[in-house]
Amino acid sequence: AQKITQTQPGMFVQEKEAVTLDCTYDTSDPSYGLFWYKQPSSGEMIFLIYQGSYDQQNATEGRYSLNFQKARKSANLVISASQLGDSAMYFCAMRRSGAGSYQLTFGKGTKLSVIP
Amino acid sequence: GAGVSQTPSNKVTEKGKYVELRCDPISGHTALYWYRQSLGQGPEFLIYFQGTGAADDSGLPNDRFFAVRPEGSVSTLKIQRTERGDSAVYLCASSPITGEKNTGELFFGEGSRLTVL
Repeated sequence: AQKITQTQPGMFVQEKEAVTLDCTYDTSDPSYGLFWYKQPSSGEMIFLIYQGSYDQQNATEGRYSLNFQKARKSANLVISASQLGDSAMYFCAMRRSGAGSYQLTFGKGTKLSVIP
Repeated sequence: GAGVSQTPSNKVTEKGKYVELRCDPISGHTALYWYRQSLGQGPEFLIYFQGTGAADDSGLPNDRFFAVRPEGSVSTLKIQRTERGDSAVYLCASSPITGEKNTGELFFGEGSRLTVL
């Protein structure tokens, strides 16, 4: 079974500062993918970034980067230069490869609040 | 619109009633998923369609829940004899066979908020 743990229920960050949202995972699958999604108050889940378990380099997408430490089973999201529009819920998720690879397992989320 | 569309956005019903929630995926996406998000939780998988057939319905909590996708596009999630514990946001997502950059990224709708009184 796969499990995602997000230990920060809420985080505050000053506008223009960087913030790290923590995510640890547990799986016995040798190959898997890790995702971060953003959920604003509208409710839609918005894909931010993806990291494959065999990717050699940490994923980056604009202001988002994923600090992937495989041995520690962590996949923290780093948001640089925070903006007011970054205020939202953030979910870490995992997908196995192979059979059942369509299912995402989500953590409970972290609520990020950006302070002007 | 180009995104996943879900209706209704809000549904309030009484315990014991029947409800239907509709999902219109992104055109051309063959895979469709239903997730349920309870308050303070992340989404939980319910069912997955590849084309018209339910490839995996292992996440459906019990036989009161059923979903169809008769023409391989629009899907309807049906809940019979609703209970207060069914109150949640029901999220629909779709994806092509291979997602953007082959990540398997899902494209979500804004969800249908169900409240059972």
